[in-house]
Amino acid sequence: DGGITQSPKYLFRKEGQNVTLSCEQNLNHDAMYWYRQDPGQGLRLIYYSQIVNDFQKGDIAEGYSVSREKKESFPLTVTSAQKNPTAFYLCASSKGQGANEAFFGQGTRLTVV
Amino acid sequence: QQPVQSPQAVILREGEDAVINCSSSKALYSVHWYRQKHGEAPVFLMILLKGGEQKGHEKISASFNEKKQQSSLYLTASQLSYSGTYFCGTGLFSGGYNKLIFGAGTRLAVHP
Repeated sequence: DGGITQSPKYLFRKEGQNVTLSCEQNLNHDAMYWYRQDPGQGLRLIYYSQIVNDFQKGDIAEGYSVSREKKESFPLTVTSAQKNPTAFYLCASSKGQGANEAFFGQGTRLTVV
Repeated sequence: QQPVQSPQAVILREGEDAVINCSSSKALYSVHWYRQKHGEAPVFLMILLKGGEQKGHEKISASFNEKKQQSSLYLTASQLSYSGTYFCGTGLFSGGYNKLIFGAGTRLAVHP
């Protein structure tokens, strides 16, 4: 079945460590997105990519980095520079332009202690 | 840039109706509606692209006004399963790229 997979579902890290969240899709979608969600908050855009080897900063990119070496994969690294990294992270993909339905992964809940 | 949603929260009894609004100071390229259950991924409901468009999905429908600056989501005869957070999203062109951004969400609780 086609879909978008995030792993792991739960992740614990010590403060000061970098951590990479995985996002893989087999929907043949060009566009991929990373969002951060805090309790009771909306979805804030971290990074997005419309094609391989190209990505753009979203509204809250500081302290995060991404890569898009393959169409299927869009990993997100939460660096030690991110001051408040504990949150629920959602990855999404769509066929392309903003007029297409976005499919979301199940999310990764990151806790930094 | 971020679309504005209202109200922030709604509490209903089963069978009651609700309206959730999404607005912007500029014309929106598109409007997406999603519902998210606690701890789960948002689920797509519908997209509206044209001014004046209306769409329906069982007892959930949405409209997009002529100026494309406001969309409303209509929930009629609410069911317990309608509970969750509803987000409107829009595609936003910026620097030649199209990004998908969302409003802050509307929390809906339906009680027996």
